[in-house]
Amino acid sequence: SQTIHQWPATLVQPVGSPLSLECTVEGTSNPNLYWYRQAAGRGLQLLFYSVGIGQISSEVPQNLSASRPQDRQFILSSKKLLLSDSGFYLCAWSIGGYEQYFGPGTRLTVT
Amino acid sequence: AQRVTQPEKLLSVFKGAPVELKCNYSYSGSPELFWYVQYSRQRLQLLLRHISRESIKGFTADLNKGETSFHLKKPFAQEEDSAMYYCALRNGGATNKLIFGTGTLLAVQP
Repeated sequence: SQTIHQWPATLVQPVGSPLSLECTVEGTSNPNLYWYRQAAGRGLQLLFYSVGIGQISSEVPQNLSASRPQDRQFILSSKKLLLSDSGFYLCAWSIGGYEQYFGPGTRLTVT
Repeated sequence: AQRVTQPEKLLSVFKGAPVELKCNYSYSGSPELFWYVQYSRQRLQLLLRHISRESIKGFTADLNKGETSFHLKKPFAQEEDSAMYYCALRNGGATNKLIFGTGTLLAVQP
């Protein structure tokens, strides 16, 4: 069966520090992958999506970037974190159809 | 512009009362709509989709194109229904992007 992992589960980072969040999917091949941010009062915002290795589309201009070095690995990064980057980050995958399967999320607090 | 609106941040009802979580959308094409749910300490997961016309855990949702709505309903709320509910619109195409609303927290009181 398919599973999706995210780590770390929680992270506290100072302003200006770099960021790397990782998402991996098991049990499937060539999934679509997505990064969302869940901020209080703002719902789920799609940040990036990828339809294949090295193919990244950005949905909103921001301080973050994404990469897909392997078929089932999706990384969210930043060179210098801002306070406004705090939030709950969710990774999701889908295959063919319309249901997306979400990971457990990473709680990021920028201090 | 494509948009999903959930006007209520919080909906509090008593056990056994009817529930209606509102969702309105803006989309130029033929919409595909979903309800996702996140129970406490669990992952966000699909609850139901409009094309299936199914009832999941007693919940139903009917797509009303005239009113551009996809409200989620349940005739008798249970305490275990307490969760965060998100309405989502599929943006079509191979990318399968979803546009989410801001969510409604349903609190069912005993």
